[in-house]
Amino acid sequence: EDQVTQSPEALRLQEGESSSLNCSYTVSGLRGLFWYRQDPGKGPEFLFTLYSAGEEKEKERLKATLTKKESFLHITAPKPEDSATYLCAVGGDSNYQLIWGAGTKLIIKP
Amino acid sequence: DTAVSQTPKYLVTQMGNDKSIKCEQNLGHDTMYWYKQDSKKFLKIMFSYNNKELIINETVPNRFSPKSPDKAHLNLHINSLELGDSAVYFCASSQGGQGIAGELFFGEGSRLTVL
Repeated sequence: EDQVTQSPEALRLQEGESSSLNCSYTVSGLRGLFWYRQDPGKGPEFLFTLYSAGEEKEKERLKATLTKKESFLHITAPKPEDSATYLCAVGGDSNYQLIWGAGTKLIIKP
Repeated sequence: DTAVSQTPKYLVTQMGNDKSIKCEQNLGHDTMYWYKQDSKKFLKIMFSYNNKELIINETVPNRFSPKSPDKAHLNLHINSLELGDSAVYFCASSQGGQGIAGELFFGEGSRLTVL
């Protein structure tokens, strides 16, 4: 069964303190792994797509990486405005729908 | 200019009532979705329409009925509301199916509270 698990559930960091969020997945025939950011009271906002192991994508202070079992969202020198819930989703060959993780709530303290 | 807009943003109603949520996208996408996000923040797909045709219909009660009058609009009608229907409902769109494209554009959500 396709599955996505994100850890930790919540992460509190000081401004400038770099860290990583994890997304572990089980899927038959990975079509893509997707990272989204969700601010309180808003819909998820697309960040990255990763298609194959070894691929990396960067955007400002965020870098997403992918292996055959998991993806990491690395955040370097975060700022308070990076505070949000980060969601991971995968698409596989077995169905047409995305399988979503429960998200990691990231809080950056000034 | 909002890409995916849904109304209303908040909806408070009594058990047993019928309500509708409307969604419109101006991105020219051919696929639209309804998602439900519960209190634990899990996103669960309910329906997906491609060019006005239903392509995903997850196990949701028959009380939920989507309608797509054209490919830019997807509305959700809910009959006989129950307490467990309280959640945030998101409309989204994409170019191509989500398992392929994966890049979905979401509306801001409609928070439904059933009393």
